[in-house]
Formats: sequence, C-alpha cells, structure tokens
Amino acid sequence: AQSVTQPDIHITVSEGASLELRCNYSYGATPYLFWYVQSPGQGLQLLLKYFSGDTLVQGIKGFEAEFKRSQSSFNLRKPSVHWSDAAEYFCAVAARRGGSYIPTFGRGTSLIVHP
Amino acid sequence: DTGVSQDPRHKITKRGQNVTFRCDPISEHNRLYWYRQTLGQGPEFLTYFQNEAQLEKSRLLSDRFSAERPKGSFSTLEIQRTEQGDSAMYLCASSSGQGQETQYFGPGTRLLVL
Repeated sequence: AQSVTQPDIHITVSEGASLELRCNYSYGATPYLFWYVQSPGQGLQLLLKYFSGDTLVQGIKGFEAEFKRSQSSFNLRKPSVHWSDAAEYFCAVAARRGGSYIPTFGRGTSLIVHP
Repeated sequence: DTGVSQDPRHKITKRGQNVTFRCDPISEHNRLYWYRQTLGQGPEFLTYFQNEAQLEKSRLLSDRFSAERPKGSFSTLEIQRTEQGDSAMYLCASSSGQGQETQYFGPGTRLLVL
C-alpha cells in the first residue's frame, strides 16, 4: 500500500523568503503525486500534480515541485512567500483503483508566515 | 461552474443519533468521492461513485456508514448510531472521469458528536 510522509508538522518563514516543504512517498509502481492546499474553512485546492514527463512541475500561485524517483521525494517550493500562503499543505500519492485515482494524503504541513 | 457544495457545513449531534450529509458535485462530473479528515491529519478516502454506481469502499467505512448517489448527481452520506470517534470533517470531491482527472473538493461538513 502507498504512503506519504511529510516530516515537518509546522514550518515558519518570513514573508518574501523562499519555501520548501518536504514530501516522501512509498509506492511500488510509478507514482501519481499531488500537492493540495487547505485554508481555514476551505476545501482542498490542487496546487500541482505529477503523472509523467518533466520531473519539475509548475503549479498555481507560483508553486513548483520536483519529482525525484531516486529519493522517493516530491518537495514543494516557492521562491518568495506571501502572507496569503499561510495554510495547511498536503502531499498525496495516488493509486489507480476502480478506474479512478484515489489519493493517500500525508498528515500535512502547517505554513506560518511572519510579516 | 459553481463548485462542489456540501450541506450542512456544521453539525452537532448526540451520540447514538443518525446524521445525513449532502454533497452536490460540479455539474456533469460523473465521479464523486467522500473523505474523512480528523484533526491534525490528512483526508482519508471513504468511498467513490461513478454515476450512481459505488465502485470503491474503504475499510474505514463501517457498517454504520452508508453512501448513496441515486440519480448520479448529488450524494448523501449517512452515519447511523453516531459515536464520538465519528467527529471529523467530511469532505466531498468530484471529478470529470476523463484523463488525468483533477478532484475538486467541497468545503466540508464538520461533525461534532457529543
């Protein structure tokens, strides 16, 4: 069975600083990988996904992630963080089940942005 | 595209009572998913439908839980004889069922069982 580890429960950065959120996955086949963001009172919003091809994936809101098969990682990065980026970030790996892709989520990393 | 909607947004109930949640997917999305999210954890898959057919159910979906999507549009999730451990956020998502589909999530229903 697949699993995701997000080793950092909380990350604190200053506004304007760069950001990297770590994600390691465990999956026997080619992984389908996702990053979602969840703001208080909001549903999850997809930031980016990797299915195949270029291992550097561009997403919305200036985020990018790099798939590294040798390290089983899919870290999320942003060069300059804005105060509005404060939220919970979830990495997920999906397995194909019943014709769809069912994601297994990590426990999340809470991003705190200092002014 | 009005997004995925869920009703109610909040529900407080007493242990032993039954509760029902509703999810309205994005129109023309034929796949609908239910997840449960407890405090400090990521969402956990419960079940999913393609049109009106329930294709996958997680082991998390005990006998007290039942989900339906009778006409292939909205879905309901019912929890019978609620327990305090059922307190969680229940999330619904929908997808088009085509290609590298993206799941679009609703705002969730937060359940508190007293």
